[in-house]
Amino acid sequence: GAVVSQHPSWVICKSGTSVKIECRSLDFQATTMFWYRQFPKQSLMLMATSNEGSKATYEQGVEKDKFLINHASLTLSTLTVTSAHPEDSSFYICSARRASGLADYNEQFFGPGTRLTVL
Amino acid sequence: QKEVEQDPGPLSVPEGAIVSLNCTYSNSAFQYFMWYRQYSRKGPELLMYTYSSGNKEDGRFTAQVDKSSKYISLFIRDSQPSDSATYLCASSGNTGKLIFGQGTTLQVKP
Repeated sequence: GAVVSQHPSWVICKSGTSVKIECRSLDFQATTMFWYRQFPKQSLMLMATSNEGSKATYEQGVEKDKFLINHASLTLSTLTVTSAHPEDSSFYICSARRASGLADYNEQFFGPGTRLTVL
Repeated sequence: QKEVEQDPGPLSVPEGAIVSLNCTYSNSAFQYFMWYRQYSRKGPELLMYTYSSGNKEDGRFTAQVDKSSKYISLFIRDSQPSDSATYLCASSGNTGKLIFGQGTTLQVKP
């Protein structure tokens, strides 16, 4: 159980285009999903927290108009990178939190990641 | 100072060795402590999850949390080449936001 999928697993796009990445919790409901980015040989940096049915909360320094997040259902969140530029090239990873009691309060399960390359 | 500090390594050990991975944290509000394993170009996989202080064992893996010294450890017994990966510690308080360490790259040589 606790499987999270991401689609696509990798994408190459031209500068100036928009790219949408989907994150799905396959066998549990996730009221909260998180979006991270990871540069090579570096750790995960939280970009935003997404709660189902409400606006996402962005971390300091993350442009909310550039990284659009939608959490339309308890099993799906999307991240859209708008007007992508080469510096947006990175590994984007989502996670989903399964809220099923105090002990599980902070368990996050991660997707396999999406590698974005902007030419 | 980063909220969670972790030596990036790399750490190289022979097969069968006991591996010790460590992190320190600075935020006293942290109550949840996790260890993730990440293979190259893959998402992190949850290995161990601990709430507050104490030990937790799962097969060859043991996680320890000492809140008095703000020290987190992961021990791997009888290490295998398949354990070669990057190990990330993470901590959080009640906000649910995970703060990750830099990750330690481990290589287990046959």
